This record gives sequence, structure tokens and C-alpha cells, in this order.
Amino acid sequence: GAGVSQTPSNKVTEKGKYVELRCDPISGHTALYWYRQSLGQGPEFLIYFQGTGAADDSGLPNDRFFAVRPEGSVSTLKIQRTERGDSAVYLCASSSGTDTGELFFGEGSRLTVL
Amino acid sequence: AQSVSQHNHHVILSEAASLELGCNYSYGGTVNLFWYVQYPGQHLQLLLKYFSGDPLVKGIKGFEAEFIKSKFSFNLRKPSVQWSDTAEYFCASNYAGKSTFGDGTTLTVKP
Repeated sequence: GAGVSQTPSNKVTEKGKYVELRCDPISGHTALYWYRQSLGQGPEFLIYFQGTGAADDSGLPNDRFFAVRPEGSVSTLKIQRTERGDSAVYLCASSSGTDTGELFFGEGSRLTVL
Repeated sequence: AQSVSQHNHHVILSEAASLELGCNYSYGGTVNLFWYVQYPGQHLQLLLKYFSGDPLVKGIKGFEAEFIKSKFSFNLRKPSVQWSDTAEYFCASNYAGKSTFGDGTTLTVKP
């Protein structure tokens, strides 16, 4: 389809393991965003890219979290040494530009850390 | 830093009742404002948006929102809700490319 695609849709891992979450944005969208959503809360900003560069990574909670977008399209969110508190739904969104802020969301990747 | 607050965590209405969901944002500069909706089992999608101009904006499915600058508010309204409006509603503000969301309001419409 033409929407934002996220894989995997579900990921269960053990504490201390490394996890990668992938996002494929809408074709032609230059801006890409990662959010994290915990139960009962709204999406929490993590990072956004304009092209290949991270324009704002102020929401990444600590240095265990890292994201890349090497070719300006697909992005990968990487979490090292996972902790139980990392359990959440990780949302990816894309936008045609940062001027308006209108976001198109994927279905999300649900991460469970045991 | 931006913040967005939504006053109602859970609203329960009967069909045909009127709806108003409150939203306040903190940033005093120029921001773009949005309402997103998440239907059960679906992803977040845009309901309506305000950038500038007429403070009363209309969105899909009969929803509208009014931007009141002096109150830093962007409340969502619908004159007559339907069972299919059952969903979670999120207000968001965007400044300099970064969108900040409220914690959402769960709307349950009883048939």
C-alpha cells in the first residue's frame, strides 16, 4: 500500500537484548518521525529526520536509543540493552515537509521486554 | 517546551448527543494545531487541522474545532455523535517541525 509501513508489528524480547524497529515512510515524504506511546498516554516525541539527518533528537530518553535514516527513506530505531520500561508501542510517522506538521502514521511496533 | 493538555480522559455519550472535547496548548508563539483520531484497531489519522485564517475549522465526518488564541484552546466539537465515532482522540500542536500530543480522550458512544 501507499501508507507508512512498520516492522515488526510485534516484538517480544528479553531484558538486555538489542532490538531494531523499521519504518518505511510514504514515498516522497522528506520528514520522518519516531514516537513512543505507553498505555493511557499520548504519543511521546523521540526524534525526527529531515532527509538523512536528525533535525531534532531531543526526545531520545538516553544513549541506549539511536535512530538512522541513511538514504533519506527507510529509518531504523535501535534500542540497546533493553529494559522492561522500554515496553511500549513505537510509532513512526512521515510528512511531506516540516512546514505544516501534518503527520501520517504507521500501525506501530509493539515492543514487550520481559 | 510545548505541552498539550486534554481535560477529559474518558467521555461516554449516547448517540445523537453533542460532543465537545477540550484541548489547551502551552506555547505562546505561532503553532499549527491538529486533532487526530484512532479508531479501534486502526492507526492514528488526521481529523482536522488549523494553520491560520478562519479560527473555525471543519474536518472529516462532521467534526469541527475552534481556535481561540486568547485562551490557548483548540476544542473539538460535533453536534450529533454516532456509534461509529467511538475512538480515542488526540490533540496536538506543532512548532518548528516537532509535534507534541496530549494524553488523549477516549470517547465511547452508546447506541
